[in-house]
Amino acid sequence: DGGITQSPKYLFRKEGQNVTLSCEQNLNHDAMYWYRQDPGQGLRLIYYSQIVNDFQKGDIAEGYSVSREKKESFPLTVTSAQKNPTAFYLCASQRIYNSPLHFGNGTRLTVT
Amino acid sequence: GQQLNQSPQSMFIQEGEDVSMNCTSSSIFNTWLWYKQEPGEGPVLLIALYKAGELTSNGRLTAQFGITRKDSFLNISASIPSDVGIYFCAGRVSGGTSYGKLTFGQGTILTVHP
Repeated sequence: DGGITQSPKYLFRKEGQNVTLSCEQNLNHDAMYWYRQDPGQGLRLIYYSQIVNDFQKGDIAEGYSVSREKKESFPLTVTSAQKNPTAFYLCASQRIYNSPLHFGNGTRLTVT
Repeated sequence: GQQLNQSPQSMFIQEGEDVSMNCTSSSIFNTWLWYKQEPGEGPVLLIALYKAGELTSNGRLTAQFGITRKDSFLNISASIPSDVGIYFCAGRVSGGTSYGKLTFGQGTILTVHP
């Protein structure tokens, strides 16, 4: 079955450590996205990538970094510069422009 | 950036009741999407709307793209316990550098009592 796989489901880190969240898709979608979700808020865009080796900052990119070396993969690194990293992180992909986004099942990151 | 206001923030209803929620925007959107999210999962697409005035159904769900292109609503008829979840609207402005970028509402938390 085609889909988007995020791993791990739960992640715990100490403050000051960088951590990388994995996102893989086998849908052959061109575009991929990272969103952050906090309780009571909508999804906020961190980074997105339309093609391999290219990516753009979203609305809340500070403290995050990404890479897009392969079409299938779009890992997100939460750096120690992110002031409030504890959140639910969602990865999504999109087949073509203006088609709906398909989401993975998220990674819940807790930083203490 | 674009702002989306989704209301109500939460709803507590009895099984069998109808539900209505809506989103309004300060900007004109060319696409409206409605998603449902269950606890610990990613959002799942319910309905996609691409034309002003469009009315689309998906089972007991009906959504409309407002004529002004600044609003959309979602109705759920005859609610059942499995309708529980968070419902998000999302809108997209076409063209320019906003390829695929969606603006999300804050979500409506739906609780259905049996």
